Amino acid sequence: QVQLVESGGGVVQPGRSLRLSCEVSGIIFSNYAMHWVRQAPGKGLEWVGVISYDGSNKYYADSVKGRFTISRDNSKNTLYLQMSSLRAEDTAVYYCARDGVEAAPPYYRGMDVWGQGTTVTVSS
Amino acid sequence: DIVMTQSPLSLPVTPGEPASISCRSSQSLLHSNGFNYLDWFLQKPGQSPHLLIYLGSNRSSGVPDRFSGSGSGTDFTLTISRVEAEDVGIYYCMQARQGYTFGQGTKLEIK
Repeated sequence: QVQLVESGGGVVQPGRSLRLSCEVSGIIFSNYAMHWVRQAPGKGLEWVGVISYDGSNKYYADSVKGRFTISRDNSKNTLYLQMSSLRAEDTAVYYCARDGVEAAPPYYRGMDVWGQGTTVTVSS
Repeated sequence: DIVMTQSPLSLPVTPGEPASISCRSSQSLLHSNGFNYLDWFLQKPGQSPHLLIYLGSNRSSGVPDRFSGSGSGTDFTLTISRVEAEDVGIYYCMQARQGYTFGQGTKLEIK
């Protein structure tokens, strides 16, 4: 059974940094690209960024570009989100999600598995 | 950036009745490979989102066949043929044609 478990959330002051982790089990982690998606309190979903299966390509939402960095350690089956220069508007539940792979072209299957989320609160 | 617009934002439905949600994109989601990069998600109360439909009309694993997706280009629809109590939650469309953008969400509630 595929499991994605986020951790590392908490309360942090504006301008500080925080690193989130997403531990993955039940799949060959290195076969899949991975996403981070966030949800501010009472708001909708916002895509944060994506990293390719091998970590060679990364793309970010404009709202976090230059402040957030996605990385992965395939030997530890773990995805990371390094957040710096945090702002109040970064307060949200952060989810990791698998970029699913279909067996046939175009091989796209959407964000087909999600974690339970970890809460980040940026406040002084 | 591609903007996604859902309607309605609130949808009260009687159990057993059909329901539909519209999703419009500011640019075409049709790729040259012939597929529309439009997905649908459901977030039940207190839970993480989960994938219902990908590439406009493909049901994800384990999704009941009362859920169907249709549309092409800039206009898409999620249809529930007969709503059940367990279908309550917020439905989101998302484009994956250029980056990723979610719609505002549609809250389905039972009358």
